[in-house]
Amino acid sequence: EAGVTQSPTHLIKTRGQQVTLRCSPISGHTSVYWYQQALGLGLQFLLWYDEGEERNRGNFPPRFSGRQFPNYSSELNVNALELEDSALYLCASSRDSQETQYFGPGTRLLVL
Amino acid sequence: GQSLEQPSEVTAVEGAIVQINCTYQTSGFYGLSWYQQHDGGAPTFLSYNALDGLEETGRFSSFLSRSDSYGYLLLQELQMKDSASYFCALDTGRRALTFGSGTRLQVQP
Repeated sequence: EAGVTQSPTHLIKTRGQQVTLRCSPISGHTSVYWYQQALGLGLQFLLWYDEGEERNRGNFPPRFSGRQFPNYSSELNVNALELEDSALYLCASSRDSQETQYFGPGTRLLVL
Repeated sequence: GQSLEQPSEVTAVEGAIVQINCTYQTSGFYGLSWYQQHDGGAPTFLSYNALDGLEETGRFSSFLSRSDSYGYLLLQELQMKDSASYFCALDTGRRALTFGSGTRLQVQP
């Protein structure tokens, strides 16, 4: 069974630009979660999508947004990039909202 | 809000047993999870405690005491490949896991 996949693996952007990160959950999983892991820090919860709807949002500004598609894949969009957005962005999925979250390899974003 | 505290670093030798502690503050939660993350890799789920007591999965065990706001991860028969960061995480509902800052485990030969 394939795990959670994310693309791209690495990305370099400049301040003010916009970025879109993509995530495909494990087959059969309907919930997708996004986390940010800044260098040397723990994971910070960003967003939770389930059945195409945003169910919960972490303490991040509105320029962080996303969506979930009918096939349960998801996108994370970050507008007006700032230097402190440089981080590893991790996507996780679960079978439903009660199950363990399984993480993808992440997208490493560098904002210059 | 919620907060979790873990030691920043732990060092142990191959074959030994090591315990990584996690203390937390929260008004309520469903369970405590543990994740392993190798440098540059994705967090990998290790264990989940919904109830007080010990959960055992092979060489790894996890313990939770709600009355003490405390949990730990126990790693037995340490191997070099166990060198990684270990995170405890609270499931406080609405699926937003709150992670501790992580414990870097260094296994020495």
